[in-house]
Amino acid sequence: IAGITQAPTSQILAAGRRMTLRCTQDMRHNAMYWYRQDLGLGLRLIHYSNTAGTTGKGEVPDGYSVSRANTDDFPLTLASAVPSQTSVYFCASSEYGAGHNEQFFGPGTRLTVL
Amino acid sequence: SQQGEEDPQALSIQEGENATMNCSYKTSINNLQWYRQNSGRGLVHLILIRSNEREKHSGRLRVTLDTSKKSSSLLITASRAADTASYFCATGNDYKLSFGAGTTVTVRA
Repeated sequence: IAGITQAPTSQILAAGRRMTLRCTQDMRHNAMYWYRQDLGLGLRLIHYSNTAGTTGKGEVPDGYSVSRANTDDFPLTLASAVPSQTSVYFCASSEYGAGHNEQFFGPGTRLTVL
Repeated sequence: SQQGEEDPQALSIQEGENATMNCSYKTSINNLQWYRQNSGRGLVHLILIRSNEREKHSGRLRVTLDTSKKSSSLLITASRAADTASYFCATGNDYKLSFGAGTTVTVRA
């Protein structure tokens, strides 16, 4: 593993189903983030974690939950998917909390909710 | 809500020409960052300029920051086909980066 990996690469999901997007980093970064990217809207922050054991809400947290049990992993869960959650999801990490240093991004997960 | 807004939304230039894009933002910042995104890929960090800096260079990239006008510009000199991508500015505050909608740059061979 080098950098940030995300799984799956893409997924088609029926509305109402539960889905967990996985994110793992091997850079021992303290902070991790989940964004969604929709056409014309840029990236919007869903949830973030400044250090293992802590999480916070971003701009668009409704319908999503995260956990940060250890430094490396930051899964994003959709408890009951809805079509408006169709998007491309990016995980990112940074050495320290965002806003102070660069973020490194994973390759993204393309999610379609039908 | 988005903090940064890029201008123009799209830019098409000939290989070898310079490309300039601008970013305006609304609130105070710690720093401003520029990222590149190639089609279907994740974002790649290009350059970070802190609020007490006015200009920064990295290779063919030049970034300026004017905190009095709450604006930044990214200049790519001597553009190449490989520079074809979307470019995003992101403003940093205490706990997050806020991204603009991006400028799509097409470099014609």
